[in-house]
Amino acid sequence: GENVEQHPSTLSVQEGDSAVIKCTYSDSASNYFPWYKQELGKGPQLIIDIRSNVGEKKDQRIAVTLNKTAKHFSLHITETQPEDSAVYFCAAAETSYDKVIFGPGTSLSVIP
Amino acid sequence: DTGVSQDPRHKITKRGQNVTFRCDPISEHNRLYWYRQTLGQGPEFLTYFQNEAQLEKSRLLSDRFSAERPKGSFSTLEIQRTEQGDSAMYLCASSLLGQLNTEAFFGQGTRLTVV
Repeated sequence: GENVEQHPSTLSVQEGDSAVIKCTYSDSASNYFPWYKQELGKGPQLIIDIRSNVGEKKDQRIAVTLNKTAKHFSLHITETQPEDSAVYFCAAAETSYDKVIFGPGTSLSVIP
Repeated sequence: DTGVSQDPRHKITKRGQNVTFRCDPISEHNRLYWYRQTLGQGPEFLTYFQNEAQLEKSRLLSDRFSAERPKGSFSTLEIQRTEQGDSAMYLCASSLLGQLNTEAFFGQGTRLTVV
């Protein structure tokens, strides 16, 4: 089955700097790669996703890249703000409506 | 509120007791998923339904766990003879498989503590 790895497990950046989280997956059948933000005591919230037919997607300060050949995908957050502090999960699935396999998470702290 | 709703938000129970959680998906969503999340880990898939049919169960779902979605709308997850290792956040998500496929939206979760 699918296995998703994620690095780093913790990340601390100064406000205004960029944050990068990297993930790898194992199952070549995966074609959908969502990223979730989880705040304390809340459920995961989808912040951006990418499908295998594109290599990059951007939404304001957030961008994701996908290298399907290498089975790598990454999340980039620019101009970080304190409210970006949370746990971020990468994930993989065959389609957007299939079960999602999550990575172990990255705890991001943005220092004012 | 048109999001995924879970009840209760918190449950404390004694070891050996049975507990039941409820999930109300987004109204038009035909797929419903259950996940379990332990502290410091990512959510782990347990099972999912398409309408009322349970299509897949993870090996994590032991015989003490049972999930139902009798009318294809809300779902319940029951844990019998709870153990301390069952302490976790139980998350529900829903999505739409159809002409307009959507990604999964998660609820706020039910945090279970077994003492």
